[in-house]
Amino acid sequence: QKEVEQDPGPLSVPEGAIVSLNCTYSNSAFQYFMWYRQYSRKGPELLMYTYSSGNKEDGRFTAQVDKSSKYISLFIRDSQPSDSATYLCAMSALRGGYNKLIFGAGTRLAVHP
Amino acid sequence: DADVTQTPRNRITKTGKRIMLECSQTKGHDRMYWYRQDPGLGLQLIYYSFDVKDINKGEISDGYSVSRQAQAKFSLSLESAIPNQTALYFCATSDLVNDEQFFGPGTRLTVL
Repeated sequence: QKEVEQDPGPLSVPEGAIVSLNCTYSNSAFQYFMWYRQYSRKGPELLMYTYSSGNKEDGRFTAQVDKSSKYISLFIRDSQPSDSATYLCAMSALRGGYNKLIFGAGTRLAVHP
Repeated sequence: DADVTQTPRNRITKTGKRIMLECSQTKGHDRMYWYRQDPGLGLQLIYYSFDVKDINKGEISDGYSVSRQAQAKFSLSLESAIPNQTALYFCATSDLVNDEQFFGPGTRLTVL
């Protein structure tokens, strides 16, 4: 079983839709939770970063962490064609002296006009 | 200018050839990483380095080696490339205080 599970999609939505992206995990030691966005032919870039449980909002993006259910979500409101990308969840726990990142497989999102 | 650069961006090679992928960064970060990305598998850590004298194996280091020539340079080598090493390779950096990793644009490697 993978430590982090993420539905690969693809997910296709119309412009303006609310998008929900999700990951589940098995290791209760994870403390830091991140969402990376990766455009085609580019490297991943950090989108949201949360510590422990709760919600974090940044513009149209909201990240939720539910540690009791080992489940994290990213919501995108009023989705735009420019949001079309692959979204990778990542989480970290202290291993080997640093917070090692474990990535989900990524969900490909397409927002069409 | 990009903070993390990788060369080459694309490479096609044959089985058995030695290949070197290079990464340079201008962010001044001490920590550097090499990842491999395959469809459906996400990013897997190959090697990481906390400073010039520190090299550590990641989850999938077999068949790979690295060299940290300077704080700003971290190279990944495939001593004898094989087809299942066909993948997208990313270099990343981070500093000691902040866990955020900054990724390069990637190298698409095809081994025939």
